[in-house]
Amino acid sequence: DVKVTQSSRYLVKRTGEKVFLECVQDMDHENMFWYRQDPGLGLRLIYFSYDVKMKEKGDIPEGYSVSREKKERFSLILESASTNQTSMYLCASSLLRGAVGELFFGEGSRLTVL
Amino acid sequence: DAKTTQPNSMESNEEEPVHLPCNHSTISGTDYIHWYRQLPSQGPEYVIHGLTSNVNNRMASLAIAEDRKSSTLILHRATLRDAAVYYCILKTSYDKVIFGPGTSLSVIP
Repeated sequence: DVKVTQSSRYLVKRTGEKVFLECVQDMDHENMFWYRQDPGLGLRLIYFSYDVKMKEKGDIPEGYSVSREKKERFSLILESASTNQTSMYLCASSLLRGAVGELFFGEGSRLTVL
Repeated sequence: DAKTTQPNSMESNEEEPVHLPCNHSTISGTDYIHWYRQLPSQGPEYVIHGLTSNVNNRMASLAIAEDRKSSTLILHRATLRDAAVYYCILKTSYDKVIFGPGTSLSVIP
């Protein structure tokens, strides 16, 4: 079974702190994604990556950056956390791109910014 | 981006079939219909996907209307473990999918 592991289930940070959210997948998938999930808004795509050192902006990239130094690892970075970034963050990977690509999600990281 | 609309919530009795509807009137010819579900405190889990023909797998069946403007996820016998939020999404050649609020399914013992 594909396993997508997110480093922290729960984090509490202060406004202005730098935050790293780590995601590792063990199935050699090339495609990885970061979403945030908020009540009433569903999941929104922040960034995605189709290859090492490659990244593409999703629908809400402002205030975030990403790093993909190794194929299995995709990190989401909040350079200066703000209270409106309090959310559930979900990492996903897929073997195939585009329309047929089945997404495998991690369990999520719930971030609270005070 | 093409969007989907689903009822906010549905209820089902345990061991009865459940039909979860989804409307996607702006679907384009190359969009695939995917369904995911999210159990409490977990990430979404893939359920099934299809393009035009009805699809079956061990979890569920997907019935797609002939004009592809709507689809229905069918759980043949609901169990308590099927209580979750179900998302119907359209996936295109680009990976910028839209997950809406989904349908919250309650299963009554």
